[in-house]
Amino acid sequence: DQQVKQNSPSLSVQEGRISILNCDYTNSMFDYFLWYKKYPAEGPTFLISISSIKDKNEDGRFTVFLNKSAKHLSLHIVPSQPGDSAVYFCAASEMGAGNQFYFGTGTSLTVIP
Amino acid sequence: EADIYQTPRYLVIGTGKKITLECSQTMGHDKMYWYQQDPGMELHLIHYSYGVNSTEKGDLSSESTVSRIRTEHFPLTLESARPSHTSQYLCASSVLQGAAQYFGPGTRLTVL
Repeated sequence: DQQVKQNSPSLSVQEGRISILNCDYTNSMFDYFLWYKKYPAEGPTFLISISSIKDKNEDGRFTVFLNKSAKHLSLHIVPSQPGDSAVYFCAASEMGAGNQFYFGTGTSLTVIP
Repeated sequence: EADIYQTPRYLVIGTGKKITLECSQTMGHDKMYWYQQDPGMELHLIHYSYGVNSTEKGDLSSESTVSRIRTEHFPLTLESARPSHTSQYLCASSVLQGAAQYFGPGTRLTVL
C-alpha cells in the first residue's frame, strides 16, 4: 500500500512561469517531508525539506507548502527554468520511528524555453 | 557536495551469477541505505545500516544481503541473480537518523 502518492506523472510549464508539484500522503504520523530532484542517469539530489511544525519553507526559487489536515504538500518553483527539467520525488518519514523514508513515484517536470 | 559512489553504473549479467554492487561514501556518515527502484515506481528501502556491524532489512523483501565492515563501505550482494532482480539499485547515506539522505548515481542491473 503506497503511503506517499504523486498523482501527476508529468508536468509541462513555460519558462518563467510557476511550477507546482503535488504530493499526498496517507499516514498521519509522518512529520518530516522532503523533495528530491533527479536527472537521468543520476541519483536523487536533496532539494528542500519541511517538518510538520511548519506550513511553509522557502529556499530561493523553491517553496514547499504543507497542509497537515489535508495530508498534502506541494513544491512551488518560481520562476521555472529549463534546468529545472527533471523528475521530482517527495518523501515522508515519521521521525520517531526510525529513519525510513517513503517515496512517491515522481513527477517529471519539463520546462519549455 | 555529496561524495557517494556506486560501481558498476550498469551491469548486464546472466541468471545464476553472484554479483556485488559497491557503495562507498567519503562523508563519514554512519547511516547508509539501499533502495530498489523500477521505472515509474517509488523507491523501496531494501536494506539499511546505522553503523559498522549494523544491518537491517527494509520494508521491501529482497534476496540480497549487505555488510558493513567499514563506515564508508556498504556493499550489496546477490548470491544467485535472477531476471526478477532486474532493477535500479540506489545507495544513500545520511549524517543523522531522520536527516536528508545523499544518494549515489545508482546501478542499473539487468539479469538475462
